[in-house]
Amino acid sequence: EDQVTQSPEALRLQEGESSSLNCSYTVSGLRGLFWYRQDPGKGPEFLFTLYSAGEEKEKERLKATLTKKESFLHITAPKPEDSATYLCAVGGGSTLGRLYFGRGTQLTVWP
Amino acid sequence: EPEVTQTPSHQVTQMGQEVILRCVPISNHLYFYWYRQILGQKVEFLVSFYNNEISEKSEIFDDQFSVERPDGSNFTLKIRSTKLEDSAMYFCASSERLAGGGGELFFGEGSRLTVL
Repeated sequence: EDQVTQSPEALRLQEGESSSLNCSYTVSGLRGLFWYRQDPGKGPEFLFTLYSAGEEKEKERLKATLTKKESFLHITAPKPEDSATYLCAVGGGSTLGRLYFGRGTQLTVWP
Repeated sequence: EPEVTQTPSHQVTQMGQEVILRCVPISNHLYFYWYRQILGQKVEFLVSFYNNEISEKSEIFDDQFSVERPDGSNFTLKIRSTKLEDSAMYFCASSERLAGGGGELFFGEGSRLTVL
């Protein structure tokens, strides 16, 4: 059973072309939704935590939002250095020790 | 900025051999984790560790796997008898609060394990 589904799997944007990545989740009793950035061959780099519906967080060109069923990562005027895989993970349900990760969205921004 | 460090960055081993992957978590963190990522697949939870004992483990974490905090700074993952399907990137992570309770995980750069 998939707790986290991310879409699209891959996204190509021209520099400056804003877009959004989606993360839908099915875990009950959400205790945190996390966004990470992962560069090839590297570990996930923490970006944001969202705890409740309606919450928003921003960092440079990135803005994360949360509803009761999904989260969006909005990328405004992206640059080539924003190219990476963006991972969504959730904590909650009957377990406390683990996060459930989605497969990620591979973002490529070309100049 | 504090970070999680992992060694080795890459290890190649023969099937059936024992492997130990090492991690130094962020110093004031209390919770430690191992995750793995098979090439092209999701990041998967293996085990969480707190107060010198396993607090949760996944179905992947069978008797071939063990974890230990041998001193005040290191956290290790041992695979007793490696199999081909153990080939993956293994990530260590640490957090101030428990992950499923909303704690933010900070990951190391990973140890790539290749089993031949």
